[in-house]
Amino acid sequence: AQKITQTQPGMFVQEKEAVTLDCTYDTSDPSYGLFWYKQPSSGEMIFLIYQGSYDQQNATEGRYSLNFQKARKSANLVISASQLGDSAMYFCAMRGVGNEKLTFGTGTRLTIIP
Amino acid sequence: GAVVSQHPSRVICKSGTSVKIECRSLDFQATTMFWYRQFPKQSLMLMATSNEGSKATYEQGVEKDKFLINHASLTLSTLTVTSAHPEDSSFYICSARASSYGYTFGSGTRLTVV
Repeated sequence: AQKITQTQPGMFVQEKEAVTLDCTYDTSDPSYGLFWYKQPSSGEMIFLIYQGSYDQQNATEGRYSLNFQKARKSANLVISASQLGDSAMYFCAMRGVGNEKLTFGTGTRLTIIP
Repeated sequence: GAVVSQHPSRVICKSGTSVKIECRSLDFQATTMFWYRQFPKQSLMLMATSNEGSKATYEQGVEKDKFLINHASLTLSTLTVTSAHPEDSSFYICSARASSYGYTFGSGTRLTVV
C-alpha cells in the first residue's frame, strides 16, 4: 500500500519569500513517481512538477523545484519568490509501479500575504 | 498540451434524480480515466478507474450501482450519479493519463443535491 503524508494543513508566507511544502511517502514499490498539484479555489488540478524515483537530479520547473530525498522518503516542493497567485491548495501524490492510480496526500493550504 | 474537458461544471438536482457528468479527452486518446470525489477542504479520493470498452474498477466502499461509469470510446467517459441524495453533494473530478508520467485533470463538477 502507498501512503502520502502532508503534515502542514496550512501555511502563511510573505510575498516574494521562498516556501517549502512538506511531503513524505511510504511505499514498497522499487519504482514510483511523485507529483505535485496545485488546486486553486476554482477546483481544477494544475500539474506542477514530477519526480521519478530513479531520477538522479531533483526536478525543477520554473519557480518550482522538488527536494527529493529518497533515503528519507521525502519529496518537498519548493516555491521560490512566492506570488499572490500561488495562494491555493497543494497536493502531493504518488504512483507506484504497474499501477496507474494516484494516491494523494491531504494537502496544504498556502496563503501568500502581500 | 493534453486537455480533458469536463461538463457540467456545476449542477443542482433534486433528490432522487440522476445526474450525468462527462469527461472528454480533446487531443489525445485516453484508454483509462479516473474518477475522484472531493469533499470540502479534503483530499481527492479515487472512486473508480474507467477503462475503455470494459467495466470500471471501483474502489472499496464505492457503490457501483449508485455511481455508474461508462467508457464507451477512447475520448469519453461518463459518471452517472443515480438516485442522488444530499449526501452525494460533492466535487467530482476526472483525470486521464496523457503521457508516460503526466495526468491531466478535468475542471471538476460541483454537484449539489437538494
